[in-house]
Amino acid sequence: GEDVEQSLFLSVREGDSSVINCTYTDSSSTYLYWYKQEPGAGLQLLTYIFSNMDMKQDQRLTVLLNKKDKHLSLRIADTQTGDSAIYFCAERSGGYQKVTFGTGTKLQVIP
Amino acid sequence: EAGVTQFPSHSVIEKGQTVTLRCDPISGHDNLYWYRRVMGKEIKFLLHFVKESKQDESGMPNNRFLAERTGGTYSTLKVQPAELEDSGVYFCASSQLTGVNTEAFFGQGTRLTVV
Repeated sequence: GEDVEQSLFLSVREGDSSVINCTYTDSSSTYLYWYKQEPGAGLQLLTYIFSNMDMKQDQRLTVLLNKKDKHLSLRIADTQTGDSAIYFCAERSGGYQKVTFGTGTKLQVIP
Repeated sequence: EAGVTQFPSHSVIEKGQTVTLRCDPISGHDNLYWYRRVMGKEIKFLLHFVKESKQDESGMPNNRFLAERTGGTYSTLKVQPAELEDSGVYFCASSQLTGVNTEAFFGQGTRLTVV
């Protein structure tokens, strides 16, 4: 079955860049996602990338995909305290949007 | 436009009791999904409705869990009888039926604690 793995915790200083890494096992993944969960809130889709892309940039967010190694990363430039949250990597291969999530990486931003 | 709403936001029940979680999807969304996150672990898929029909219930852990979506609008997820390992956050999501990659919108989740 599908498996998505992430490190559990990351701590960075305000203003630095954050890089959150993810590996997945399903070679037929079509879409790869990054979700953000702030305390007490639901899951918010941050960005996604198609499997035929290597990189996607959206303002402070850069997503890199290495399909050969099945490795996905999310880089947040100029990390702010408001970026403190849990970030979930996820993938979808089949139809009807059944999404497989990772364990989530808790990002702590130190002022 | 209202987003996906879930009720209650928190529930604390004793082992052996029954709990019913409710999800109201975004109006017009035919796809409705239930997911669960047990403490510190990944968010796991439970099941998927297309309108009132169960499209995929492969993630339901056992027969103590019953999901319904009568009329294809809101959905309920009942746990009876609840066990300690059922504790976690239950998320609901909805999306439109058509489209290549229509985004799934998630609710805030229901935090269930079984004591």
